[in-house]
Amino acid sequence: EVQLVESGGGLVQPGRSLKLSCAASGFTFSNYGMAWVCQAPTKGLEWVASISTGGGNTYYRDSVKGRFTISRDNAKNTLYLQMDSLRSEDTATYYCARRGPYTTDSYFDYWGQGVMVTVSS
Amino acid sequence: AIVLNQSPSSIVASQGEKVTITCRASSSISSNYLHWYQQKPGAFPKLVIYSTSYRASGIPSRFSGSGSGTSYSFTISRVEAEDVATYYCQQGSSNPPTFGAGTKLELK
Repeated sequence: EVQLVESGGGLVQPGRSLKLSCAASGFTFSNYGMAWVCQAPTKGLEWVASISTGGGNTYYRDSVKGRFTISRDNAKNTLYLQMDSLRSEDTATYYCARRGPYTTDSYFDYWGQGVMVTVSS
Repeated sequence: AIVLNQSPSSIVASQGEKVTITCRASSSISSNYLHWYQQKPGAFPKLVIYSTSYRASGIPSRFSGSGSGTSYSFTISRVEAEDVATYYCQQGSSNPPTFGAGTKLELK
């Protein structure tokens, strides 16, 4: 059974950092591209960042470029999101999501339960 | 970025009724790159339809999708109580991937 379990969320002051983790199980993690998708309270879904199978290619939405870093450790079956210089507008639930099995797949076929990040003084 | 306009923003339907949601893209999208998700209250999103018309694993046949170019639709042929959720379209044709604003389905 595919499982994605996020951790590392919480309350943080503006300007500070937080690192999210996503532990993957039930599939060969190194074979799949991965992504982070966020959802502000009562709002819709927004893609945040993606990473290729080996980690060599990363992509970010404009509003987090230079502040967030997506990475992965295939030996530990874990996806990360390092969030620096956090802003109040980063407040959201962050979901770890698996991309489809083929490199051309652009959908997210499995999602974690999400982790809440609150940026407030 | 490609903007996806979903309509309606909310639907109130009776059990057994057919409902259709439309997703219109600001630029043409290959049908391979348009997908639909279901998010039940308090839960994470779940893939329902990928590449316009393919049902994801375990999805009942009452869910279907169609479309091409800039206009796509998602249909539930006979709404059931368990279908109460917000539905989102998503495009992966060009970076950044984008989602529609969502359509909230409620039961009468």
